[in-house]
Amino acid sequence: DTGVSQDPRHKITKRGQNVTFRCDPISEHNRLYWYRQTLGQGPEFLTYFQNEAQLEKSRLLSDRFSAERPKGSFSTLEIQRTEQGDSAMYLCASSESPREDFGSGTRLTVV
Amino acid sequence: DQQVKQNSPSLSVQEGRISILNCDYTNSMFDYFLWYKKYPAEGPTFLISISSIKDKNEDGRFTVFLNKSAKHLSLHIVPSQPGDSAVYFCAASVTGANSKLTFGKGITLSVRP
Repeated sequence: DTGVSQDPRHKITKRGQNVTFRCDPISEHNRLYWYRQTLGQGPEFLTYFQNEAQLEKSRLLSDRFSAERPKGSFSTLEIQRTEQGDSAMYLCASSESPREDFGSGTRLTVV
Repeated sequence: DQQVKQNSPSLSVQEGRISILNCDYTNSMFDYFLWYKKYPAEGPTFLISISSIKDKNEDGRFTVFLNKSAKHLSLHIVPSQPGDSAVYFCAASVTGANSKLTFGKGITLSVRP
């Protein structure tokens, strides 16, 4: 197992377009998290899955954001009608303990 | 409301000397603390952690100290190496249902050769 994998690494999109990111967690981890990191800030929690169940969503996750984890394996994060304020690094992490292992992230730029 | 605070944005040390990175927290429910290291354009990499039942944890050149009464933790790197130059994030969680991490803003460590 090579760790948490995220795709794509970079995404440039025009304002108003929809984007989808994918995360493949470490296979034996049943917990999966999405975070967002903007310049000068630490990662901020967005949402959490235990297997396929989405158990918590942050207030940062507006109605334009949706996340899924079908079959408790990979996860997708979709942003509809992107805005310039959505530009950030989107990080996925997986865990089976208090420690979380992160992927390399997807850098989103909305122009 | 910043529950995890890293008040110094940067630190510069000479190679071979000790680096001390500080972190404060306000939420007394936090019971697990972690340090992550991050290079540009990469995700955070786990470095070391400590449970609230301990006051010290050591792993090679890295030692984390926890002072629960002061709600303060620190990461010591001895000896510092140029490859340690990166952004270091302090994070905290409440172990239990989801154990999500709350991060500080990070501190940029520069180790001068």
